[in-house]
Amino acid sequence: QVQLVQSGAEVKKPGASVEVSCKASGYTFTNYYMHWVRQAPGQGLEWMGIINPSGGTTSYAQKFQGRVTMTRDTSTSTVYMDLSSLRSEDTAVYYCASSSTWSAKIDYWGQGTLVTVSS
Amino acid sequence: QSALTQPRSVSGSPGQSVTISCTGTSSDVGGYNYVSWYQQHPGKAPKLIIYDVSEWPSGVPDRFSGSKSGNTASLTISGLQAEDEADYYCCSYAGSVRVFGGGTKLTVL
Repeated sequence: QVQLVQSGAEVKKPGASVEVSCKASGYTFTNYYMHWVRQAPGQGLEWMGIINPSGGTTSYAQKFQGRVTMTRDTSTSTVYMDLSSLRSEDTAVYYCASSSTWSAKIDYWGQGTLVTVSS
Repeated sequence: QSALTQPRSVSGSPGQSVTISCTGTSSDVGGYNYVSWYQQHPGKAPKLIIYDVSEWPSGVPDRFSGSKSGNTASLTISGLQAEDEADYYCCSYAGSVRVFGGGTKLTVL
């Protein structure tokens, strides 16, 4: 069965960077695109971007352009999301989630990773 | 890339039906038949309940149904049950990006 297992919670200071990983199993890693979606405390879902694990092509939400980088390691079936210049508003649960095509439904979700930005 | 517009809250009694709207633009909801809906219980990851406007993933009861007219998509939940109380989010493909709605809290009275 498809499983997306994310790295553990992080606490970062303002201005720092954070890397969250997402290890996929139960399917051919390069056959599914990976999204990153975040959710601030008490707030809604916010799409951050998508990566094609096959070729590494990415597309980011305009809001995060220049601050987010999504990469993948096909040897370990892992996708990474790096967010830089952190501020308190970046405190959120970050989810990875997969879809079978660039436009298809997002159907499998990781368990979420809490990133807390605090001085 | 503005968020899709959803009502902040809706409510209904067990057995009743409720409809949640999701309004976007011709660049997202109106431009593609790639609207999906997610149910989220507190502390849990979202769960896909409708995709491609009106399709059901396996295991999702047909009490949940989706539709679209112009730039507005809708989720209807019929025969409300206590376990339907949750937050609901719409999401639309918008070219190279996705956009979510702000979310709707469903209260089962």
